[in-house]
Amino acid sequence: QQPVQSPQAVILREGEDAVINCSSSKALYSVHWYRQKHGEAPVFLMILLKGGEQKGHEKISASFNEKKQQSSLYLTASQLSYSGTYFCGTESDSSYKLIFGSGTRLLVRP
Amino acid sequence: ETGVTQTPRHLVMGMTNKKSLKCEQHLGHNAMYWYKQSAKKPLELMFVYNFKEQTENNSVPSRFSPECPNSSHLFLHLHTLQPEDSALYLCASSQWMGGVGTGELFFGEGSRLTVL
Repeated sequence: QQPVQSPQAVILREGEDAVINCSSSKALYSVHWYRQKHGEAPVFLMILLKGGEQKGHEKISASFNEKKQQSSLYLTASQLSYSGTYFCGTESDSSYKLIFGSGTRLLVRP
Repeated sequence: ETGVTQTPRHLVMGMTNKKSLKCEQHLGHNAMYWYKQSAKKPLELMFVYNFKEQTENNSVPSRFSPECPNSSHLFLHLHTLQPEDSALYLCASSQWMGGVGTGELFFGEGSRLTVL
């Protein structure tokens, strides 16, 4: 079953922060985050495994609350290069198929 | 060449045509995937191959026929498609460690398919 992402779109000024949420109705094994710029391939950001581990990647970090089957992606001090569509993908404990959400469009303006 | 390469990048075909999409990965990975990306839908998993063996067919219509001759090459054969099959078809590869779960996916830039 497809995870639900929110918000669907967000517009930021350079330097502002944003949070993108991803939730599932199934018990999760892992959550993946990817970013896709217009006309380009999706690019891997990070994987979070069952265990509530928080990971970081430069100014982009994420958390995984396995009890709530939710993950959040945190973008701090956003840069113009952060613009794109962010996808979360989830794998459940019962089916290790990576299923993606509908994406969150992020636009960072100067 | 490096990464994951897909050809052709653009394809226009009629509903009665037969065509193929090709994917080649130069990363030494042992798992390959086909995803479909439509304007109004999320990335949809179509097929998964581990060590050349198909391990997942996500209820894909038979007009799509995958082929994986070796760990570096993946094809998607297309025949008698419908206009609603128009989409971006993305190939990806990963290193499957033999356990559970999908590792980091490396995507190609996709083949944009238009069915008339």
